[in-house]
Amino acid sequence: EVQLVESGGGLVQPGGSLRLSCAASGFTFSNYAMSWVRQAPGKGLEWVSVLSGGGGGGTDYADSVKGRFTISRDNSKSTLYLQMNSLRAEDTAVYYCAKYAGMKWQNYYMDVWGKGTTVTVSS
Amino acid sequence: QSVLTQPPSVSGAPGQRVTISCTGSSSNIGAGYDVHWYQQPPGTAPKLLIYGNNNRPSGVPDRFSGSKSGTSASLAITGLQADDEADYYCQSYDSSLSGWVFGGGTKLTVL
Repeated sequence: EVQLVESGGGLVQPGGSLRLSCAASGFTFSNYAMSWVRQAPGKGLEWVSVLSGGGGGGTDYADSVKGRFTISRDNSKSTLYLQMNSLRAEDTAVYYCAKYAGMKWQNYYMDVWGKGTTVTVSS
Repeated sequence: QSVLTQPPSVSGAPGQRVTISCTGSSSNIGAGYDVHWYQQPPGTAPKLLIYGNNNRPSGVPDRFSGSKSGTSASLAITGLQADDEADYYCQSYDSSLSGWVFGGGTKLTVL
């Protein structure tokens, strides 16, 4: 069964840091691009970041997190990470890990989602 | 304010047909990028419903269908059922933002 399990969320003060993890199973993790998507309380979905698969290593970020968040992966552990620095109150959200599918980068879609991990930024 | 515009809510009686629109621009849907749809029942993670404008993953009933024309796309749900109550999101790619974008979401209520 294809599965994604996020962890690492919690309460952090403004300006602090947190690292999220996403453990993947049931598919060849290294072959696929992976992403983080977040959802603020009562709000819609917001794409956060992408990391390409197949050894490409390409990354991209939403403008709202560029320069503060870093996406990475450890293919030997089938795990995706999101290092979040300089956290702000507006980063408070449920963070979902998602597997990408599709033939063309711009037409990628998210075919498998984790259950999410909650990040709260507050003093 | 989302790059892709969806109605905040739609409703219908059991058995009826509803549609949810997703309006974009020349830098996303109008540029020819595919539109995908996700279903998110209350308190759960999103689930892929339609990919590549009009394709259903295995396990998704054929009551759900997607279409795209110009700078807009639509999700149609026929034979409404109680467990169709959920938030629905469209998603595409935006060349101006160089990233993936979602619609603001539409809450479907089955009366």
